[in-house]
Formats: sequence, structure tokens, C-alpha cells
Amino acid sequence: QSVLTQPPSVSGAPGQRVTISCTGSSSNIGAGYDVHWYQQLPGTAPKLLIYGNRNRPSGVPDRFSGSKSGTSASLAITGLQAEDEADYYCQSYDSRLSGSVFGGGTKLTVL
Amino acid sequence: QVQLVESGGGLVKPGGSLRLSCAASTFTFSDYYMSWIRQAPGKGLEWVSYISRSGGAIYYADSVKGRFTVSRDNAKNSLYLLMNSLRAEDTAVYYCATDRADLGYYFDYWGQGTLVTVSS
Repeated sequence: QSVLTQPPSVSGAPGQRVTISCTGSSSNIGAGYDVHWYQQLPGTAPKLLIYGNRNRPSGVPDRFSGSKSGTSASLAITGLQAEDEADYYCQSYDSRLSGSVFGGGTKLTVL
Repeated sequence: QVQLVESGGGLVKPGGSLRLSCAASTFTFSDYYMSWIRQAPGKGLEWVSYISRSGGAIYYADSVKGRFTVSRDNAKNSLYLLMNSLRAEDTAVYYCATDRADLGYYFDYWGQGTLVTVSS
């Protein structure tokens, strides 16, 4: 059972918009710690997608955006492309555990 | 381009030990906090351990506390994870990653991972 809760799967057709939610608690997201998102393509290492709730590293398309409110955060992907099919993970810091925590991951399927 | 290369994974029996290494290059290793993160086959990501730039601050996930030891050698640009009393549930791909604990605790660069299999 992951500390952060994500839906196991989402799907969308090419060109559509999808969102992935990430729900935490008062010891992590609700305590004000930032939320970060990672994309993991099949058979590869995770890649930083969004940091500090809404910032994109250089090279990440602006089709990817993040937001945070209260004890939750969301990743939005617009203009879905086949290459976006991957697993997506949210991550934050937990003061009770004194360490980073991840969501269980969400598998995005592009129909 | 930051490069991290893990090594040392393999097959080990329950109760055994293994030492993972992570070689860093193309950046000033001593300027970065580092973490180990693992991923069991077909499962999600789990943070394992963190070490500060000097090695003076170290943290572990409860699942490995007392069994795993993280260390670093800044002169050799290397990060290590000594794993003792290994269990079947420690089977996973282990990644080393740069840890931006100073900027909100995110992992901006990852290695390719090394597979540890604990089985008799």
C-alpha cells in the first residue's frame, strides 16, 4: 500500500486530455511538501517530468502540466500522443517517515 | 549530461549480502545529495535510502533499516549500498539518483538500475 494514492490506470485517445490524480495526507502533500512526477517508459529508468508541483525540466513538452491543492496533486497531459504511453508516478516527502514517498503508479494507455 | 551507472547486482540467497555501487561522472558528485530507489518486478517505486553531500546525514526506509548501509566516496565519485540479511522481498531493480533535497526532495537524474534477485 503506497503512501500516495494514484489510480492504477487511465486511458485516452490521441489528441485528448487526461489527468492523473495523486492523493496524500497531512504529513506529506498536506504539510506543504512539493509534489513531483516521473514518467517511466517500458523497460527504462524513471525520468523526471514535473518538479516543484508545476515546473518542467528542460526538454519536457508543455503538453505536460502539474498542479497541487491541499492534500492532492494532479498531472495533466494534453494532446495525447502514442509515445506518452507509460507509467506515471507522483512523489513527495513525508515528515512522519523522514523520507520520500511515491504513489503506486498509473499506467497510461493511448487508445 | 549527468551519468550514473549502477553495478553489483545479481542472484543471492536469503540471508546473504550484496554491495551495490553507483559510479557518477560528468558532474561534481560531491555537490549532490544522493538516494537509492528500488522497484520490485512489476511493482512501483520505493525510496530506500538517502545520504547527504558529506555523508553526515543518512536516512533509510523502515523496510531496510538495520539491514542496509549507504555510504559514499566523493574522491572516487561513487555511491554504495551494502545490503545484509537479504530477503525475498528485497528482489528489485535498484536505482541510484541525484536527490534535490535542497530544492524540494526530487530526483532529477537516475541510473539505468541494477537487478538484485534474492532466491534460494
